[in-house]
Amino acid sequence: GQNIDQPTEMTATEGAIVQINCTYQTSGFNGLFWYQQHAGEAPTFLSYNVLDGLEEKGRFSSFLSRSKGYSYLLLKELQMKDSASYLCAPIKPVNAGNMLTFGGGTRLMVKP
Amino acid sequence: KAGVTQTPRYLIKTRGQQVTLSCSPISGHRSVSWYQQTPGQGLQFLFEYFSETQRNKGNFPGRFSGRQFSNSRSEMNVSTLELGDSALYLCASSKGLAGGDEQYFGPGTRLTVT
Repeated sequence: GQNIDQPTEMTATEGAIVQINCTYQTSGFNGLFWYQQHAGEAPTFLSYNVLDGLEEKGRFSSFLSRSKGYSYLLLKELQMKDSASYLCAPIKPVNAGNMLTFGGGTRLMVKP
Repeated sequence: KAGVTQTPRYLIKTRGQQVTLSCSPISGHRSVSWYQQTPGQGLQFLFEYFSETQRNKGNFPGRFSGRQFSNSRSEMNVSTLELGDSALYLCASSKGLAGGDEQYFGPGTRLTVT
């Protein structure tokens, strides 16, 4: 199956660092995406991990451990505009096309 | 270049009716995926079309169907609407060449069934 677990809500302070975890049970996947979704808007791409390890992109970093079925998104120097939902999505093998299965999302609230 | 566009943006229908939603992908993208987003179930995959063929299908009843045209534009249809079909319907396009392609989402169509 593809049980994808993320915390429902998190709160952090402006300027701080926050880590959003995602665990999943899936077989035969070939990567994991993170998307950001502001209220009332469409999801936007943040990162894609296909290999184990850490991918850094500015204030955002994403980590993947395929053997453990575990990923996290790290947000540094939090800004108020980072208040949004963060969705992790493992993806099925390349020959299965683009089928994303999303977790329920983590709603992050950044406070001043 | 222009992003993914969806029409209409808002729609109100009555139970039992049918509805057709449209999605125009980014120029050059051949894959279009459809998702349903509700507060209770989150973002769920409906189906994916690539080069006019359905490549993947999610776990939705047969009332949900779609198609893709030769210019990669896609439509999805929901027949015999139910109250539970009220949701935000998102389409996403990608080049579709590999499973790891970044998907670009459109603004969505908010469907309300009364």
